[in-house]
Amino acid sequence: GDKVKQSPSALSLQEGTNSALRCNFSIAATTVQWFLQNPRGSLINLFYLVPGTKENGRLKSAFDSKESYSTLHIRDAQLEDSGTYFCAAEALNNQGKLIFGQGTKLSIKP
Amino acid sequence: DPKIIQKPKYLVAVTGSEKILICEQYLGHNAMYWYRQSAKKPLEFMFSYSYQKLMDNQTASSRFQPQSSKKNHLDLQITALKPDDSATYFCASSQGRLSSAETLYFGSGTRLTVL
Repeated sequence: GDKVKQSPSALSLQEGTNSALRCNFSIAATTVQWFLQNPRGSLINLFYLVPGTKENGRLKSAFDSKESYSTLHIRDAQLEDSGTYFCAAEALNNQGKLIFGQGTKLSIKP
Repeated sequence: DPKIIQKPKYLVAVTGSEKILICEQYLGHNAMYWYRQSAKKPLEFMFSYSYQKLMDNQTASSRFQPQSSKKNHLDLQITALKPDDSATYFCASSQGRLSSAETLYFGSGTRLTVL
């Protein structure tokens, strides 16, 4: 089965609203990274997380290693937030080997 | 300016041919990686290199061979190409501190189509 499961698979939001994306892990993840793949295909690193929470502007992410999940909250969504969001987990002693989820395709509508 | 340069951006090849995907990073990183993204699967780890040495290889086929001529280069040679090799290949890099996990930075990818 999927080692990293993302939900939802797709999401459509009005500009200015908030959203929450989630990843559940069936592996013992030690760190999590969140990426945005923009419409041009580039992968942009949003967060690198050890267990805990980080915030950057309108984005906030949390990683709970005991409960094996991570979340990404987007506040006041803007058109440029559109794209596919991927979470990726790294297991102990697997430096650089990220296991990616299938992604959440986010569409922001004006 | 992009700090991880992948060339070419698009590549079309015929079945059975050989191609080399180029990757150079200007972040001063010591670790480099190849990942693959195909239509049917999530991004998959292929190789990791640290200080120009192969650290991990998760690619079943020997048709895929990374080549590191310099610390900031990690090219990917693919021989005997098959239509199933069609995918976008991403190069990535990180600082390369072996004792800890690190943020990965990705290039913009090479989209390979095998006819």
